[in-house]
Amino acid sequence: SQTIHQWPATLVQPVGSPLSLECTVEGTSNPNLYWYRQAAGRGLQLLFYSVGIGQISSEVPQNLSASRPQDRQFILSSKKLLLSDSGFYLCAWRAGTTEAFFGQGTRLTVV
Amino acid sequence: GQQVMQIPQYQHVQEGEDFTTYCNSSTTLSNIQWYKQRPGGHPVFLIQLVKSGEVKKQKRLTFQFGEAKKNSSLHITATQTTDVGTYFCAGDTSYGKLTFGQGTILTVHP
Repeated sequence: SQTIHQWPATLVQPVGSPLSLECTVEGTSNPNLYWYRQAAGRGLQLLFYSVGIGQISSEVPQNLSASRPQDRQFILSSKKLLLSDSGFYLCAWRAGTTEAFFGQGTRLTVV
Repeated sequence: GQQVMQIPQYQHVQEGEDFTTYCNSSTTLSNIQWYKQRPGGHPVFLIQLVKSGEVKKQKRLTFQFGEAKKNSSLHITATQTTDVGTYFCAGDTSYGKLTFGQGTILTVHP
């Protein structure tokens, strides 16, 4: 069966520090991968999505970047965090345009 | 840009009352999906609608996809406290780009 791993679950980082969040999927090949951010009590903002290795679509101009070094690995990064980067970060995968499966999420607090 | 809008943002109901959330897209969608997120949790898939005018039911939940494939609704009959959470619609606004509505936060008072 397919599983998605996202870590860490909680993260507190100072302003200006770098960020690296990792997401891996098991049990499937060539998944579509996604990074979303959710502010407290708000909706899901699509940050990046990838329909294949080397294909990253960025939805929101910001100081975040994403990479897909392997078929089932999706990494969200930042060189210098801002206070406004705080939020709940969710990774998800899909097979084509079917249902999305989400990781447990990372609660990032930038202080 | 292409957007998926969802209303209302909040809905407070008494247990036993009905609840409806509406979703509208600025463009035609190939499909619409609905998710539920419990407080503190991650979104969990409920259902996907593909056909124009499609209606699907899951126990007390009824999902509809509009004829033009631009709007959808989720209706819950006789809400229960277990229905509490945020309900999201989502659609592929282009291939692979799964865009979510803002969600409707449902509170059920016993």
